[in-house]
Amino acid sequence: EPEVTQTPSHQVTQMGQEVILRCVPISNHLYFYWYRQILGQKVEFLVSFYNNEISEKSEIFDDQFSVERPDGSNFTLKIRSTKLEDSAMYFCASRVAGGYTDTQYFGPGTRLTVL
Amino acid sequence: RKEVEQDPGPFNVPEGATVAFNCTYSNSASQSFFWYRQDCRKEPKLLMSVYSSGNEDGRFTAQLNRASQYISLLIRDSKLSDSATYLCVVKGYSTLTFGKGTMLLVSP
Repeated sequence: EPEVTQTPSHQVTQMGQEVILRCVPISNHLYFYWYRQILGQKVEFLVSFYNNEISEKSEIFDDQFSVERPDGSNFTLKIRSTKLEDSAMYFCASRVAGGYTDTQYFGPGTRLTVL
Repeated sequence: RKEVEQDPGPFNVPEGATVAFNCTYSNSASQSFFWYRQDCRKEPKLLMSVYSSGNEDGRFTAQLNRASQYISLLIRDSKLSDSATYLCVVKGYSTLTFGKGTMLLVSP
């Protein structure tokens, strides 16, 4: 069964450093998402991406964040200058296209720890 | 303002018990509704979609009341493997809004 993959599984970084989290969505999917989950908190939407552009973003997704689909398979989330409060689990998700009930499939997540 | 609200639990039940979770949502324009399951430190996984007419998948039954903005999940004949956090999820046009989840612990 095809699945969303994410690398690395765990990233430790120093405050102020840039990090890039990588995702490989399911191959025939057209919509891509990043969510985050701070430990003990709910899963929160960050950004959605379709047709090579951001289609929607939350207030969390400020100028420190960017997304890119550099080639036909990878989808990346960059945090330019990490803060302690960026420590969280970051989940990538993808779905096929169209319809309100299309399922979003989640990757296993990257645990980001900012020291 | 909590967009999707759930009782955090934990619900401690013995194997074989029936347990019900409830959820309320604030955005009346929400288009679709789901229950996801999340194991500790893992990704959310879709358990089932929730339809207005109610739907059942094996031991799991989901109900939606749009007028009351209320969603429920019933689990019959609980198994040890059902122990997890159950996330109520509401979808607008594209993005998912998650509740904080209800923890279920099934004991032998």
